[in-house]
Amino acid sequence: DIQMTQSPSSLSASVGDRVTISCRASQSIRDNLNWYQQRPGQTPKLLIYMAFGFQSGVPSRFSGSGSGTDFNLTISSLQPEDFATYYCQQSLTTPYTFGQGTKLEIK
Amino acid sequence: EMQLLASGGGLEQPGGSLRLSCAASGFTFRNYAMNWVRQAPGKGLEWVSGLSGSGVSTYYADSVKGRFTISRDNSKNTLFLQMNSLRDDDTAVYYCAKGNAYYYENSGYYLDYWGQGTLVTVSS
Repeated sequence: DIQMTQSPSSLSASVGDRVTISCRASQSIRDNLNWYQQRPGQTPKLLIYMAFGFQSGVPSRFSGSGSGTDFNLTISSLQPEDFATYYCQQSLTTPYTFGQGTKLEIK
Repeated sequence: EMQLLASGGGLEQPGGSLRLSCAASGFTFRNYAMNWVRQAPGKGLEWVSGLSGSGVSTYYADSVKGRFTISRDNSKNTLFLQMNSLRDDDTAVYYCAKGNAYYYENSGYYLDYWGQGTLVTVSS
């Protein structure tokens, strides 16, 4: 199985900050990497697909990058509604494993 | 408007069975692969199972293989997860999620819409 490792596991930041969350795959997954956001008490929501594709309705302050084994999710200017947990997921082969999550908290 | 309504969760004893359902609306159900993803209390997301638009091709996480069975009824726009031989570590909220393609193992696959989950508690 492909293992997905996110860093950091948690992150404190302020409104307006630029933040980057990293995700590393245990083997190359080309660009088969998706990012999801889960706000407290809510259902997960797709943000970025295929490493850098924007899901409809996602604000432009979110961006994805990377290929192979190393990927990033960047939020250019944090807004209050962005404080949530973020998960990466590989979709190259089943099982479609998730990273352990990165919890983004208000400083 | 797209909707996925999961149901069937509840309290079950170890070794017991439950059948989850997910009623879909707002899109052409038969055209898309579907998925189950679970989240244990206070933990992260775990992909559980998926199947193609026809239901012919099915896929499972090792942790549930041989105990869980995924299926669908395209005439009723409903996804199912039959859960047998339940264990304590199956306790979780189970989400159904729509895939973006008909075929499951399809490069560029992602889960583009998630429904509200249903809580499964396995405890004696």
